Amino acid sequence: DTGVSQDPRHKITKRGQNVTFRCDPISEHNRLYWYRQTLGQGPEFLTYFQNEAQLEKSRLLSDRFSAERPKGSFSTLEIQRTEQGDSAMYLCASSAVHSYNEQFFGPGTRLTVL
Amino acid sequence: GQQLNQSPQSMFIQEGEDVSMNCTSSSIFNTWLWYKQEPGEGPVLLIALYKAGELTSNGRLTAQFGITRKDSFLNISASIPSDVGIYFCAGLTNAGGTSYGKLTFGQGTILTVHP
Repeated sequence: DTGVSQDPRHKITKRGQNVTFRCDPISEHNRLYWYRQTLGQGPEFLTYFQNEAQLEKSRLLSDRFSAERPKGSFSTLEIQRTEQGDSAMYLCASSAVHSYNEQFFGPGTRLTVL
Repeated sequence: GQQLNQSPQSMFIQEGEDVSMNCTSSSIFNTWLWYKQEPGEGPVLLIALYKAGELTSNGRLTAQFGITRKDSFLNISASIPSDVGIYFCAGLTNAGGTSYGKLTFGQGTILTVHP
C-alpha cells in the first residue's frame, strides 16, 4: 500500500511562469485536499475534492490558481503567472469517505519563485 | 476565522524527559488531530480524537480532546532523539454542513531532544 505521492518534489521557476503540480492519493481514497505551507507556519487549506467534484475553495486560492481532479483519481494544481509570494510548500492529502477526518499527507512540492 | 494557538512554540529537552504541549481555539471543533512533521516532508498523522474528553494513546504518545471542545493536549513520555520534529495540532469542524474537508492547523511546536 503506497501513500500519497506528489510530483515534482521541488520546483524552481521564474516570476511570471506557470507551474503545475501533481498529486496521486492513496488508492481508493475519494477525498483529496490541497494545502499550502510557508516557513514557520502550519499548513493552510486551499481546496478539496470528493471524487471529481471540487467542494470547497479557500479565499487563499486566487484566480491564478486552479485545481482539477478530472477522473476522481490524481489531481493537478496549476499556478499561473507565478509571484514571489507563491513560494511555499504545496501539500496534498487524501482521506477515505468513511473516515474523512483522518487526512494523510504526501511529501509536498517545494516551490521557489525567483 | 478560526485560529488555533499552540504552545509552547519550541521545547528543548533531554532524552528521557516527558513532553507536554497544547492547542487552544476560539471555536469548537468536532475532531482534533495531531501531526508530526520532519524537515522537507509532509505531516504524519499521529493521533485522531473524536469525542470531548477522549483520551487516546499511540505508543509513548497520549492525546486528549478537551471537554470544552476548544482545546487538546499531547504528551510524549520518555522522549528519544527520533521524536525531534515539529508537532502540529489540527481541528476539523462540520458545523452547519460546511467545511467537512478543511483542517485548521496550529503554528506548531518545535521539539528538540538532546541525547
